[in-house]
Amino acid sequence: QLVLTQSPSASASLGASVRLTCTLNSGHSSYAIAWHQQQPGKGPRFLMKVNSDGSHNEGDGIPHRFSGSSSGAERYLTISRLQSDDEADYFCQTWVNDIVIFGGGTKVTVL
Amino acid sequence: EVQLVESGGGLVQPGGSLRLSCVATGFRFSDYSMNWVRQAPGKGLEWVAYISFGRTTENYADSVKGRFTVSRDNAKNSVHLQMHSLRVEDTALYFCARTPYGSSLSFFDYWGQGTLVAVSS
Repeated sequence: QLVLTQSPSASASLGASVRLTCTLNSGHSSYAIAWHQQQPGKGPRFLMKVNSDGSHNEGDGIPHRFSGSSSGAERYLTISRLQSDDEADYFCQTWVNDIVIFGGGTKVTVL
Repeated sequence: EVQLVESGGGLVQPGGSLRLSCVATGFRFSDYSMNWVRQAPGKGLEWVAYISFGRTTENYADSVKGRFTVSRDNAKNSVHLQMHSLRVEDTALYFCARTPYGSSLSFFDYWGQGTLVAVSS
């Protein structure tokens, strides 16, 4: 069974960087994932797809401050030069056969 | 500009039915597969259903299989979610989400703002 694991929370100072991790469970390390941002009270927003080789495809209008990478079963989202409106929940998502799986989400706090 | 606007949410008693709609603008709707995703209050995201652009394929989460039906009207640029036998645990904000061009069930590149379904007696 495919499972995505995310840390519940992360924080960093305004202007700093933060790296979020999404971990695929054993046997699924080759899977691509997508990152989505959900600001308080809003619908999610697609950020990017991250492949197992680290290549990534950003969504429309996503600032270059957001970047993706991979290492083994881990998929990363790095947010550089943190801004106040980056404070949000970040979900990773993947798919297999006929279902879609979401990670539990990471709440990012900008200090 | 791509826009997805959901409607049809509301308060319904357990065992009741509700039909959600999502109207799409800003892209050639008939070329894209569509999904419904929900979020219970204070919780994470849960994928609910998928329908292919040509209506040939439907997929459902186990939690709604047999109770929910997804459909689409390409002439009206709309996708619907018919929900029957609603349970308290179906209470959530329901989002419409688009799958990228040329993809089958995969990830979502645009989302709506959601419509709230509350199941309570």
